[in-house]
Amino acid sequence: ILNVEQSPQSLHVQEGDSTNFTCSFPSSNFYALHWYRWETAKSPEALFVMTLNGDEKKKGRISATLNTKEGYSYLYIKGSQPEDSATYLCAPNNSGGSNYKLTFGKGTLLTVNP
Amino acid sequence: GAGVSQSPRYKVTKRGQDVALRCDPISGHVSLYWYRQALGQGPEFLTYFNYEAQQDKSGLPNDRFSAERPEGSISTLTIQRTEQRDSAMYRCASSPPSPATGGEQYFGPGTRLTVT
Repeated sequence: ILNVEQSPQSLHVQEGDSTNFTCSFPSSNFYALHWYRWETAKSPEALFVMTLNGDEKKKGRISATLNTKEGYSYLYIKGSQPEDSATYLCAPNNSGGSNYKLTFGKGTLLTVNP
Repeated sequence: GAGVSQSPRYKVTKRGQDVALRCDPISGHVSLYWYRQALGQGPEFLTYFNYEAQQDKSGLPNDRFSAERPEGSISTLTIQRTEQRDSAMYRCASSPPSPATGGEQYFGPGTRLTVT
């Protein structure tokens, strides 16, 4: 079983604050790292798919970085808004490219207070 | 265009009954995945298909669970002799052809299964 850890489990920030959280995963056989945004009662929504060490991706106020050698990814949210409140899930693929199976972490629950 | 659809959205069944959950992926998506998601947790992988071929079924909990995708489009997840511990949200996802990464996955609304 792949060990995927996300921290913190939850956090509360004020509107306008910038924040970041971490996803740790095994570096062996790494192939890709996915980030998803999930609002309870809705379906997870893809944010980023990252494959290369040093990759940095950005979508609006949200960005992510990837370090495949040490096995971690950071997700950053700049100027948090209440609508950013959600659980952010990371999911590595450590198949070495042999299949597309993802192992999801338990997520970081972000609450942005207006 | 239409997203991933799943039916039924809610299913209540008695312990011991069989259930079949259906997933209709986005048109043209090659890969189809089944997950189980407990309350407040991330999705837990069950199995996935490329076209009609089941590539990995390592996440199926036991032999009461099976899945098929006979024509490479719609898929059915079947749970035989359901038990209360099978109660969960069952989600399906599909992804477009993407040889490098498997592609980002598009999730359906899920089927909430309750076994009484």
